[in-house]
Amino acid sequence: DTGVSQNPRHKITKRGQNVTFRCDPISEHNRLYWYRQTLGQGPEFLTYFQNEAQLEKSRLLSDRFSAERPKGSFSTLEIQRTEQGDSAMYLCASSQPGQAKNEQFFGPGTRLTVL
Amino acid sequence: AQTVTQSQPEMSVQEAETVTLSCTYDTSESDYYLFWYKQPPSRQMILVIRQEAYKQQNATENRFSVNFQKAAKSFSLKISDSQLGDAAMYFCAYRRGGGAQKLVFGQGTRLTINP
Repeated sequence: DTGVSQNPRHKITKRGQNVTFRCDPISEHNRLYWYRQTLGQGPEFLTYFQNEAQLEKSRLLSDRFSAERPKGSFSTLEIQRTEQGDSAMYLCASSQPGQAKNEQFFGPGTRLTVL
Repeated sequence: AQTVTQSQPEMSVQEAETVTLSCTYDTSESDYYLFWYKQPPSRQMILVIRQEAYKQQNATENRFSVNFQKAAKSFSLKISDSQLGDAAMYFCAYRRGGGAQKLVFGQGTRLTINP
C-alpha cells in the first residue's frame, strides 16, 4: 500500500478518557501533518513534522493534545481528558520536498466521537 | 492571518454540464499557492489542481480549470463535462510561499451531480 494510512478509522470514547491515533505516511515522505475537520467545515491545521522534529504547532493544539514522530516515520496524536468539543475527523497528510511540488497526500482520517 | 472563503455551501449541476465553484482569499503575501481539493463521501481528500501566484496563466487539468484573479483575490474552479464521479465536497486552500507548510482551507462546497 503506497498511501497514507490512519488507525483506527473510528473511535468512540467517553468524556475524560484519553485516546491515541496513529498515522503512517507514504514511506519516503519526510513531512507529516495533522489537521482536524469538524462537521461541515474545512480542515484546520494542527501541527507538522519534518522527520522527527515538530516544527509548527497551531494554537488549536491545546495542552491536552500531544503529537509525536519519534523515529521520523509514523506519528501518533494523543488527546488527554477528551471533551465533547474534540469530536471531529482527524486527518493526517504527508509530503516530500522535491516530489510532486511538495503536494500533501491525505489519509482517510480517524473519526472521533466523544460521548 | 490568511483566510479562505467559499460562499456556496452547496451546488448542483446536470451530468455533462459545466459548473463553477467560487473561492476568495485574503492575504498580504505576494508569494503563495492556491489549491482545490476534492473529498468524496467517506473517502480521502485528493488534490484536483494547484496554482502558483506568480504564474499568470490559469492552471488546467483535463476537465478542471481555474480562473485566478490575483488582484481580486479570487480563485474559482470550473468543472467541464461534469460526471457522476465528480460528486464530492470541494475545498479551496491557500499556502503561503517561502517554505510555509500549513494549508488554510475554506469551508467547502458540496457538489451534487444530477443524472
